[in-house]
Amino acid sequence: SQKIEQNSEALNIQEGKTATLTCNYTNYSPAYLQWYRQDPGRGPVFLLLIRENEKEKRKERLKVTFDTTLKQSLFHITASQPADSATYLCALDMGQGAQKLVFGQGTRLTINP
Amino acid sequence: NAGVTQTPKFQVLKTGQSMTLQCAQDMNHEYMSWYRQDPGMGLRLIHYSVGAGITDQGEVPNGYNVSRSTTEDFPLRLLSAAPSQTSVYFCASSYSGTLGGKLFFGSGTQLSVL
Repeated sequence: SQKIEQNSEALNIQEGKTATLTCNYTNYSPAYLQWYRQDPGRGPVFLLLIRENEKEKRKERLKVTFDTTLKQSLFHITASQPADSATYLCALDMGQGAQKLVFGQGTRLTINP
Repeated sequence: NAGVTQTPKFQVLKTGQSMTLQCAQDMNHEYMSWYRQDPGMGLRLIHYSVGAGITDQGEVPNGYNVSRSTTEDFPLRLLSAAPSQTSVYFCASSYSGTLGGKLFFGSGTQLSVL
């Protein structure tokens, strides 16, 4: 079955720097890869989606890359702010849509002032 | 716009008790699902529904029942609670279950089974 690994459970970054989170997967490449943000005591919130034929996607200070050769997605937050502190989840869509999204365990990101 | 509403927010059960976690959405989404979230394990799919009257099992369905009588509601029933079902439960919906669909999540139910 598909396995997903997100780098380190926790990541601490200085304010203003770029935070980079990694999502690695095994076996087959997904048709889509999604990133969500989760704050304590809240449900995940959708951020970005990237298709298997896209190399890069941007939204304001967020950038996602997708390398099907390395079986890896990188999630970047540029000019990071303390308000960016949260847990970030990647999710793989293996071609069956939202009904079969497979989630990683998440990376807890802390931006220090 | 309320989005996805889950009740209750917190619940404590004794082993063997049954209960229903409620989930409602007001976005007219066809697809709804239930996940559980445990430390270090990520979100795991319990059951899902692609429309009223249609449900299917996810990765960890044992001990849970669902039904979908309306588009809006998708309750999750614990038949006989066990300590292994202590977890945070999330209901999610999507416009459709097809390719590229993003999920809208509720705020979760924290369940403890003693």
